[in-house]
Amino acid sequence: GNSVTQMEGPVTLSEEAFLTINCTYTATGYPSLFWYVQYPGEGLQLLLKATKADDKGSNKGFEATYRKETTSFHLEKGSVQVSDSAVYFCALTLINYGGSQGNLIFGKGTKLSVKP
Amino acid sequence: DGGITQSPKYLFRKEGQNVTLSCEQNLNHDAMYWYRQDPGQGLRLIYYSQIVNDFQKGDIAEGYSVSREKKESFPLTVTSAQKNPTAFYLCASSIDRVTDTQYFGPGTRLTVL
Repeated sequence: GNSVTQMEGPVTLSEEAFLTINCTYTATGYPSLFWYVQYPGEGLQLLLKATKADDKGSNKGFEATYRKETTSFHLEKGSVQVSDSAVYFCALTLINYGGSQGNLIFGKGTKLSVKP
Repeated sequence: DGGITQSPKYLFRKEGQNVTLSCEQNLNHDAMYWYRQDPGQGLRLIYYSQIVNDFQKGDIAEGYSVSREKKESFPLTVTSAQKNPTAFYLCASSIDRVTDTQYFGPGTRLTVL
């Protein structure tokens, strides 16, 4: 089946530290990959996406590269800020003939806390 | 401003009562989705609709119902048949079935007393 596995949290870092949140996936087709971020009490915001192998998504200093050979989409940021404290979700959706199956498959989320 | 609105933000209901959660979008998106979020479990798909007057069950549709009479609106009813309805409910939309990026509303937290 199709699934997403991401590292369990919580992750606690000091401001300006390097961030990596691991995400691996299992998919029967050709997935598009996403990272979403959720701030406390809010909905999800799209952080970045990649639609094919070797694509790099980037936004607000965050990056993730679609690695088909390792079925991974790890999220990285060179220098985190207190304002980056949130829950991060890795997700995939499959593009089949006629378009998406209409189902985003999520990992369980990784809570990041950044201390000043 | 374009976006997805969900109301109310917090909702309290007594056990055994049906309750309807609102989701409206003015993005002119064809596809809309409902997810349920429980602590430590990520998001799970309840229902989705690719076009007006059509909708499909997701992974956890039991105890829920939806309608899609207008493009802009996709209300979710949590019925008394739902065994554990207390959760955070998120609505999302995407341009169409080909464009895969989904955009989310702010969510409704339902608590059943």
